[in-house]
Amino acid sequence: QQQVKQSPQSLIVQKGGISIINCAYENTAFDYFPWYQQFPGKGPALLIAIRPDVSEKKEGRFTISFNKSAKQFSLHIMDSQPGDSATYFCAAMDRGSTLGRLYFGRGTQLTVWP
Amino acid sequence: NAGVTQTPKFRILKIGQSMTLQCAQDMNHNYMYWYRQDPGMGLKLIYYSVGAGITDKGEVPNGYNVSRSTTEDFPLRLELAAPSQTSVYFCASRNRGRADKHEQYFGPGTRLTVT
Repeated sequence: QQQVKQSPQSLIVQKGGISIINCAYENTAFDYFPWYQQFPGKGPALLIAIRPDVSEKKEGRFTISFNKSAKQFSLHIMDSQPGDSATYFCAAMDRGSTLGRLYFGRGTQLTVWP
Repeated sequence: NAGVTQTPKFRILKIGQSMTLQCAQDMNHNYMYWYRQDPGMGLKLIYYSVGAGITDKGEVPNGYNVSRSTTEDFPLRLELAAPSQTSVYFCASRNRGRADKHEQYFGPGTRLTVT
């Protein structure tokens, strides 16, 4: 059972456009939502993360929007660039758990055309 | 400071063979993790360790074993390889403490094919 549902599976965006990736979860114990970026042949790397006490977090061109009541969160990439072409994973975690296990979505392969 | 290193980068195994995937970190992290990544499936946790001598199963442990004799190393052992174990394997580590305050750092991965 997929704890975190992610869509779309793939996304093609023109350079300068906005890329939007959506995730949803059911477990109300989740209270930390990171996004990971993975380039081909590399391991995932933390991109940006949000806690549920805020509805939005912005770092440069990357913004997470969080809707606690709907149990949804999304990643927006403004002014998308070819260098943003990568696979993006959303994840969720219960901060109170000792292990701090991450539950990952299935990933979105983003291609930004120049 | 190399971070998390994994060897080998690629490996082809025949069905029934065994091998050990190596993972090492030089950040003195207590927590270490093994994930597998299959196309379109995200990352699934295989095993984890919260310190030397302490390991436990994750979501998909069948067919794998781990050991943690030192803080630095966390090898993953495949016994009797099966085609279903064809995947990309990632090792990760983080410092102790609240998980949201301590990022997981991933290695570059090992691509394993079982034929």
